[in-house]
Amino acid sequence: NAGVTQTPKFRILKIGQSMTLQCTQDMNHNYMYWYRQDPGMGLKLIYYSVGAGITDKGEVPNGYNVSRSTTEDFPLRLELAAPSQTSVYFCASRPFADTQYFGPGTRLTVL
Amino acid sequence: DAKTTQPPSMDCAEGRAANLPCNHSTISGNEYVYWYRQIHSQGPQYIIHGLKNNETNEMASLIITEDRKSSTLILPHATLRDTAVYYCIVRDGSSNTGKLIFGQGTTLQVKP
Repeated sequence: NAGVTQTPKFRILKIGQSMTLQCTQDMNHNYMYWYRQDPGMGLKLIYYSVGAGITDKGEVPNGYNVSRSTTEDFPLRLELAAPSQTSVYFCASRPFADTQYFGPGTRLTVL
Repeated sequence: DAKTTQPPSMDCAEGRAANLPCNHSTISGNEYVYWYRQIHSQGPQYIIHGLKNNETNEMASLIITEDRKSSTLILPHATLRDTAVYYCIVRDGSSNTGKLIFGQGTTLQVKP
């Protein structure tokens, strides 16, 4: 199993541009999560999904959108990039049991 | 907000036990204590979790006080590769969302 994969690894955006961060897991996990991590801080939950077709907001959802059309994929959309969205983004998945498995992260800079 | 308090940093000599404390004085009866670590900006890695009994696995031991208001993660023989940020997280076991609320964690530096 590849586990949780994220693309791209790095990206630089200009203010106002949009992009989609991709997240895919091959473990058939129902639960998936998007977090962001600012320098020197812990992770903050953006959105999560408990299964295909079901998503909900986390702590910091403003400026982001998600969809979950399949079990495997959970893309995160930034519509109008702002400097405040410069961060490292982590995707995670979880089976019905407890442990979350994290991807390697996407490092996004908005200039 | 995170429901745990951890020291911001700790040092440990290589080969010695690393004891990382965590306070969670407002923990409720159905909340579990989880530990994750993050090595050099990689994705966090699960270590161990428990409800009220002490737990041990191949990576670490978790000691929870009888009143459950604090816990200690023990890495029995720390190596340089254990240098990381360690997060103590309290999670509601009755919720099926599995959401984790991260604090700022403890940066453990293992020194030769």
